[in-house]
Amino acid sequence: EVQLVESGGGLVQFGGSLRLSCAASGFTFSNNEMNWVRQAPGEGLEWVSYISGSGRIINYADSVKGRFTISRDNAKNSLYLQMNSLRAEDTAVYYCARESDLDAFDMWGQGTMVTVSS
Amino acid sequence: AIQMTQSPSSLSASVGDRVTITCRASQGIGNDLGWYQQRPGKTPKLLIYAASSLQSGVPSRFSGSGSGTDFTLTISSLQPEDFATYYCLQDYSFPRTFGQGTKVEIK
Repeated sequence: EVQLVESGGGLVQFGGSLRLSCAASGFTFSNNEMNWVRQAPGEGLEWVSYISGSGRIINYADSVKGRFTISRDNAKNSLYLQMNSLRAEDTAVYYCARESDLDAFDMWGQGTMVTVSS
Repeated sequence: AIQMTQSPSSLSASVGDRVTITCRASQGIGNDLGWYQQRPGKTPKLLIYAASSLQSGVPSRFSGSGSGTDFTLTISSLQPEDFATYYCLQDYSFPRTFGQGTKVEIK
């Protein structure tokens, strides 16, 4: 089955760290660019980060630059998001999303909730 | 960063109505735009890519048009399962940016 499954979310204190994972299956993971997208409670979608198939090209939203690090392990078919110096405004559901050849986000995981408490 | 402005932010419509949602980019993005549907409590779903191409498996009542700065998502005959929030996303440049969303509600 073709799917993305996120894990690693939870409750963390202000200033703390968390590492999210996204396990891919059913497709050739290394062929696809990947993204993290988040959605704060009751709010819209916010793009967070991008990584190319090889892992050599990376981009971040300004809101997380310097605090979050995206990475991937193609041998393990896995995508990661290391989140440091967490703030209340980072509270959200975090989705991993596959990018198609035409740059559309054609597959999404079910999301993992991150709650930052003060 | 390219700003994406969607309108309206919400609308009420009846089953069978024709619905149009617009998205305007703050600068030209060619046809590098997608439309996504998110039902309540569910994961976003790709409807349209490259401004006007229908994603596999998406009903033909959904269509997209536009290029440059102005884009439109049209639902030709609204069905009960179409009540959801719709987002545009520009994939022309980084940072990627979503529109703020359009909530389609039952009249």
